[in-house]
Amino acid sequence: KAGVTQTPRYLIKTRGQQVTLSCSPISGHRSVSWYQQTPGQGLQFLFEYFSETQRNKGNFPGRFSGRQFSNSRSEMNVSTLELGDSALYLCASIGEQYTGELFFGEGSRLTVL
Amino acid sequence: GENVEQHPSTLSVQEGDSAVIKCTYSDSASNYFPWYKQELGKGPQLIIDIRSNVGEKKDQRIAVTLNKTAKHFSLHITETQPEDSAVYFCAASPGSARQLTFGSGTQLTVLP
Repeated sequence: KAGVTQTPRYLIKTRGQQVTLSCSPISGHRSVSWYQQTPGQGLQFLFEYFSETQRNKGNFPGRFSGRQFSNSRSEMNVSTLELGDSALYLCASIGEQYTGELFFGEGSRLTVL
Repeated sequence: GENVEQHPSTLSVQEGDSAVIKCTYSDSASNYFPWYKQELGKGPQLIIDIRSNVGEKKDQRIAVTLNKTAKHFSLHITETQPEDSAVYFCAASPGSARQLTFGSGTQLTVLP
């Protein structure tokens, strides 16, 4: 069974640009969560989607947005990039037989110059 | 909102010794406490979790204890091995693992 797939794995952008990150959950998983990981702030919850609906949102500015498609794949977008947006963006999926476990992908590492 | 503090930030132990990582949380409504291990270049992976109706849980060399009165929980790793070297994160949630508040992480190094 394939794990959570995130693309791209690495990307470099400049301030003011926007970026779109993609996440394909484990087959059969309908819930996807996104987290931002930085050395200073650790792992912070961005948002969670289930069946194309955003269920929860963390404390991030409106520049951070996301969506989920009917096949459960999810994208997150960051507009007007700032230096502080440099981070590892992690996606996690949760199965139908909810045991509490988040299955994380390897992340997309964004560098903003 | 919830706030989770984790100590120590770094921990070095000799192979075969035990390691203990401690976390405190602020929201008394939290009732789910997982621990994740993150190896270099990989996403975090769940290693053990505990719910508020349980005081202790063990899985081979790993155990977690929970004190709801004091609002703290701990990870215990016995007979440490070099492959235990990684960053460990505690987390807390008021009922859903879908929105976890993580601690700041502990870099565990097991010295051969």
